[in-house]
Amino acid sequence: DQQVKQNSPSLSVQEGRISILNCDYTNSMFDYFLWYKKYPAEGPTFLISISSIKDKNEDGRFTVFLNKSAKHLSLHIVPSQPGDSAVYFCAASDSNYQLIWGAGTKLIIKP
Amino acid sequence: SQTIHQWPATLVQPVGSPLSLECTVEGTSNPNLYWYRQAAGRGLQLLFYSVGIGQISSEVPQNLSASRPQDRQFILSSKKLLLSDSGFYLCAWSVGGLSNQPQHFGDGTRLSIL
Repeated sequence: DQQVKQNSPSLSVQEGRISILNCDYTNSMFDYFLWYKKYPAEGPTFLISISSIKDKNEDGRFTVFLNKSAKHLSLHIVPSQPGDSAVYFCAASDSNYQLIWGAGTKLIIKP
Repeated sequence: SQTIHQWPATLVQPVGSPLSLECTVEGTSNPNLYWYRQAAGRGLQLLFYSVGIGQISSEVPQNLSASRPQDRQFILSSKKLLLSDSGFYLCAWSVGGLSNQPQHFGDGTRLSIL
């Protein structure tokens, strides 16, 4: 049972435009959500997180939006840069030490 | 600042051989520690986690084991490797004693079983 789903295996975006990565979850007990970025042959790098008491969190070019009623979160990257090309994972937690991970979305930024 | 070291970066082992992957964390005390595996083209699968010395929780049945002999050391082992053990192994840490904390990852070990 996939509790965290990233339905788009890949996404291609023009440099300078907005990249929007989506994630859906099924467990209403999740109260903490994270986005990670991963390059090939490296470990994931933490990007940004959001608590369920908020609906938006910003950090520079990265913004995460949380829609609890729809059980949906998204990561917006504006403007997209070539270095943003990577696999992006969303993850969720229910006040536990463990994270439940999505399968990832490969973002390709076209010059 | 905190750092996490994982080695070796790559490893090629024959089927049936033993395995020992090591992970150490610096700059923090009593971290939560994690071992993950990422199969090709797939997400991260949690294998083991530890909230303290000698405390290991296993998430999936397998022929791998984990140990935490020291506060900031986490070891992944196997007595006899299988072909299916091939993959990318990642160690991670998070702040101990607190929930809802990000996990921070090492650079991973690419394990190939021949």
